Amino acid sequence: GQSLEQPSEVTAVEGAIVQINCTYQTSGFYGLSWYQQHDGGAPTFLSYNGLDGLEETGRFSSFLSRSDSYGYLLLQELQMKDSASYFCAPSGNTPLVFGKGTRLSVIA
Amino acid sequence: EAQVTQNPRYLITVTGKKLTVTCSQNMNHEYMSWYRQDPGLGLRQIYYSMNVEVTDKGDVPEGYKVSRKEKRNFPLILESPSPNQTSLYFCASSYSASGANVLTFGAGSRLTVL
Repeated sequence: GQSLEQPSEVTAVEGAIVQINCTYQTSGFYGLSWYQQHDGGAPTFLSYNGLDGLEETGRFSSFLSRSDSYGYLLLQELQMKDSASYFCAPSGNTPLVFGKGTRLSVIA
Repeated sequence: EAQVTQNPRYLITVTGKKLTVTCSQNMNHEYMSWYRQDPGLGLRQIYYSMNVEVTDKGDVPEGYKVSRKEKRNFPLILESPSPNQTSLYFCASSYSASGANVLTFGAGSRLTVL
């Protein structure tokens, strides 16, 4: 089966850096994806880590450690528009499933 | 434009009245999936389909049916809706179910069952 753990809520100040952690358990692990969802909107793909290490895409970076079944999403230079829910989603032998997500609130 | 289209976007219905939420994708994706989203519970998978005529249950399949007769369409059927099926529903598709797949989501269908 699969299990996922993410913090339910995170609050950070505009301009700061925030890290959202994800621990997972899945059979036949391939990689870890991250999705963003604004209130009232649909989830949208942010990043994917198939290998250990850091992937950087602009202000967002994502990290994976296969041996620790752990990953994180790093958001730098936070902006108010980054207030959203963030979901990690491990892919493996069973199709992609999502957890409860982390609600990020960016405050001035 | 590559997209996943869901209809209806909003629906209010009554208990027991059968309804279908349609989902169509124009990207020739093999994998399609339905999720429901409820406050505090995240995205829960209802059913998924790896390809035409191949469907399987997700985490919360009770009360729902699906079919995949064509690659592009994956309708969600509620034979006898009940109030606990009031939720926000998302259809999504991707090239495959594994690897560096990128799920493309529809805009969502907000369903209220009275």
